[in-house]
Amino acid sequence: DAKTTQPNSMESNEEEPVHLPCNHSTISGTDYIHWYRQLPSQGPEYVIHGLTSNVNNRMASLAIAEDRKSSTLILHRATLRDAAVYYCILRDYDSGYALNFGKGTSLLVTP
Amino acid sequence: DTEVTQTPKHLVMGMTNKKSLKCEQHMGHRAMYWYKQKAKKPPELMFVYSYEKLSINESVPSRFSPECPNSSLLNLHLHALQPEDSALYLCASSQEDRGPFYGYTFGSGTRLTVV
Repeated sequence: DAKTTQPNSMESNEEEPVHLPCNHSTISGTDYIHWYRQLPSQGPEYVIHGLTSNVNNRMASLAIAEDRKSSTLILHRATLRDAAVYYCILRDYDSGYALNFGKGTSLLVTP
Repeated sequence: DTEVTQTPKHLVMGMTNKKSLKCEQHMGHRAMYWYKQKAKKPPELMFVYSYEKLSINESVPSRFSPECPNSSLLNLHLHALQPEDSALYLCASSQEDRGPFYGYTFGSGTRLTVV
């Protein structure tokens, strides 16, 4: 059973904000929400993670719904370099907190 | 040093060959991982090492044999592989394996082709 649901693909214009959604309706209280991205021909790269509160770092912001059943990764100003597959991952106790990837969202950024 | 280094970057091997993939990190991380990624698919977890001991084996066939000689080094020994084992093999490390607040650092992978 998929623990997270993401759109298969999204498209954005360069220099505009991008909101990447993720649904995780079966999340439990101790599950952490992680986001990774994978650029073409590279290994995945950590982007951000959170538990309950919204989080910001130099790469992105993570907005977590109050009921924690969904979250949104926000890229404030997309660049061509942000074109990648973005993975929303729940790290939960039952799986030993392993990083198990789902299908992800392929983000296309156009000039 | 904030990198995970994987060698070789590319490997072509026959079905009767024995080869090894190597992964190294000098970040003081105590957990290391092997993932397999087929084209256009997400990475799949194969093995987890925690403090140099194997803690998770995701039912991987015995033709893949992991080894962790020390806290900085992780190997994946390959023997009698099949063409369907051709994939990108990714190594990753993190500070601890059971800390959900620690991020993973991935290498760029070894692209393996079995002929």
